[in-house]
Amino acid sequence: EIVLTQSPGTLSLSPGERATLSCRASRNVDNNRITWYQQKPGQAPRFLIHDAYIRAAGIPDRFSGSGSGTDFTLIIRRLEPEDFAVYFCQQYATLPITFGHGTRLEIK
Amino acid sequence: DEQLVESGGGLVQPGGSLRLSCAASRFVLSDYWMSWVRQVPGKGLEWVAHVNQDGSETRCVDSVKGRFTISRDNAKKSLFLQMNNLRVEDTAIYYCARGGYRFDLWGQGTLVTVSS
Repeated sequence: EIVLTQSPGTLSLSPGERATLSCRASRNVDNNRITWYQQKPGQAPRFLIHDAYIRAAGIPDRFSGSGSGTDFTLIIRRLEPEDFAVYFCQQYATLPITFGHGTRLEIK
Repeated sequence: DEQLVESGGGLVQPGGSLRLSCAASRFVLSDYWMSWVRQVPGKGLEWVAHVNQDGSETRCVDSVKGRFTISRDNAKKSLFLQMNNLRVEDTAIYYCARGGYRFDLWGQGTLVTVSS
């Protein structure tokens, strides 16, 4: 299976700053089939980005994804208070579908 | 708004069974692959199983093979997960999610606790 490693485990930033979250795969993710989700306490994950860089409907353009092969990045420009949450990456190129362990984005 | 609502979770002893249900509303269930994804509270996410639009194709993660069965009833707008021979390590919140490979709509989850 493809193992996804997210870093950092926790990221402490202030509103207005830029967040850079990393997701590294144990082997190549075909067709860059990477998705990013946001999860807040007590809530289900929210679909943010698919195919590494395509924003889902209704997702603000301050969220952007990039990367290819084994290295993928989620960038959140100009952090808003509601952006502080846990972010998971997921690959769907190969079964079993796997998720990273998440990056917690907390207010500094 | 489109919605998924899970039910059927609860406390069960090791070796026991539970059947989870997921009711879909305000979208056509039969148009979509569907999945179950679980999460130990406070931990990461694990894909459990998926099923294609007409129920003829299913796959699951190795840790539940032979114990869990995913199925659907499109006429009743419902997705199911039959869980047999439950283990302590199956304890988690179980989410119903739209999609077979990427998940664009999630339910609120139902908690399954396996404990003696």
